[in-house]
Amino acid sequence: EVQLLESGGGLVQPGGSLRLSCAASGFTFSSYAMSWVRQAPGKGLEWVSAISGSGGSTYYADSVKGRFTISRDNSKNTLYLQMNSLRAEDTAVYYCAKSSGRWGATGGNYFDYWGQGTLVTVSS
Amino acid sequence: DIQMTQSPSSLSASVGDRVTITCRASQGISNSLAWYQQKPGKAPKLLLYAASRLESGVPSRFSGSGSGTDYTLTISSLQPEDFATYYCQQYYSTSFFGGGTKVEIK
Repeated sequence: EVQLLESGGGLVQPGGSLRLSCAASGFTFSSYAMSWVRQAPGKGLEWVSAISGSGGSTYYADSVKGRFTISRDNSKNTLYLQMNSLRAEDTAVYYCAKSSGRWGATGGNYFDYWGQGTLVTVSS
Repeated sequence: DIQMTQSPSSLSASVGDRVTITCRASQGISNSLAWYQQKPGKAPKLLLYAASRLESGVPSRFSGSGSGTDYTLTISSLQPEDFATYYCQQYYSTSFFGGGTKVEIK
């Protein structure tokens, strides 16, 4: 059974940093691209970032480029999102999502499994 | 960026109704479209991918169609457990979601 368990959310001041983690199990982690998708309170879904199975390629939404860094440790089956220079508009539930396959420079993929999410609140 | 316009943003329907939700892409996406269902406080759940392919375990009352820029999710006979918010996602070029359609009880 595929399981994705996020952690690391919480309250942070504007300009601060936070690192999210996603522990994966039930599939061959290194074979699949992974993503972070967020949802602001009462709003829709926004793809944030993706990383290839090897970790060698990363992709970002314009809204977070230069501030967020996605990474993975395939030996620990864990996905990370380092979030710096946080803004109020980054307040959201952050979901870890497994891609159905690869993610490339010319196209993404759909998400067949999602974690339950972790809430990040940016406020003074 | 390929943006997705989803309509309607909300609808009211009764159990047994046929429901149709539409997504329009700002340019052609070659059927690289997925549909998700999300219930309050829960993670999204994949319903269909490649515009019309049903994810394993999803009831057959859900179906998808379309091509080019215009795509449709149809629920043939709405059930009580189908009241939720539905999102489309294009994955032809990175990934963008539609704004969502909330299906409420009439």
